[in-house]
Amino acid sequence: AQSVTQLGSHVSVSEGALVLLRCNYSSSVPPYLFWYVQYPNQGLQLLLKYTTGATLVKGINGFEAEFKKSETSFHLTKPSAHMSDAAEYFCAVSGSARQLTFGSGTQLTVLP
Amino acid sequence: DTGVSQNPRHKITKRGQNVTFRCDPISEHNRLYWYRQTLGQGPEFLTYFQNEAQLEKSRLLSDRFSAERPKGSFSTLEIQRTEQGDSAMYLCASSSSELGQETQYFGPGTRLLVL
Repeated sequence: AQSVTQLGSHVSVSEGALVLLRCNYSSSVPPYLFWYVQYPNQGLQLLLKYTTGATLVKGINGFEAEFKKSETSFHLTKPSAHMSDAAEYFCAVSGSARQLTFGSGTQLTVLP
Repeated sequence: DTGVSQNPRHKITKRGQNVTFRCDPISEHNRLYWYRQTLGQGPEFLTYFQNEAQLEKSRLLSDRFSAERPKGSFSTLEIQRTEQGDSAMYLCASSSSELGQETQYFGPGTRLLVL
């Protein structure tokens, strides 16, 4: 069985500030971890993924995430928020099952 | 690579009617997934195909739901006797098993409203 918990359903940051979106997972096997972004009335776009190897993963649009096995975490960060980053972000895990298990999402608001 | 496409993008129907959605995956992808997303929630897995074979179904997929992928290319998801609780965004994703750990690429979704 696998599950994802995203802490904070809403996060607000000022433009130019650090973005930190939290994700904790549980998985009975070594997980593959993903972050997706969803803009209103659109599908999900992959930001980045962790499979094996380097635990710090870089993605598109300046985002990165670090896999920490001891903390069962995969938090998403971006050093400097931009207005265009405002969207909903989903963390997901796949393990023994092919399908993705998603968290409930974090809505990011960027304040001018 | 034109991406995953879904039709229609929006569907409004009356309770009790049947609806069918179509998904066209990325052409070289052999795996296809359906998810359902309700307001304020993350997507939930419904079913998964490898080529034309339906390999897994969630218990969320009641007997009113049926999915097919007859030639291993496009897929359809049919909901019979729709209920108001079926109102949601239905997302399709595809991936390739031949590229190592697959990444699922999502379509834009079909938003269903049952009145």
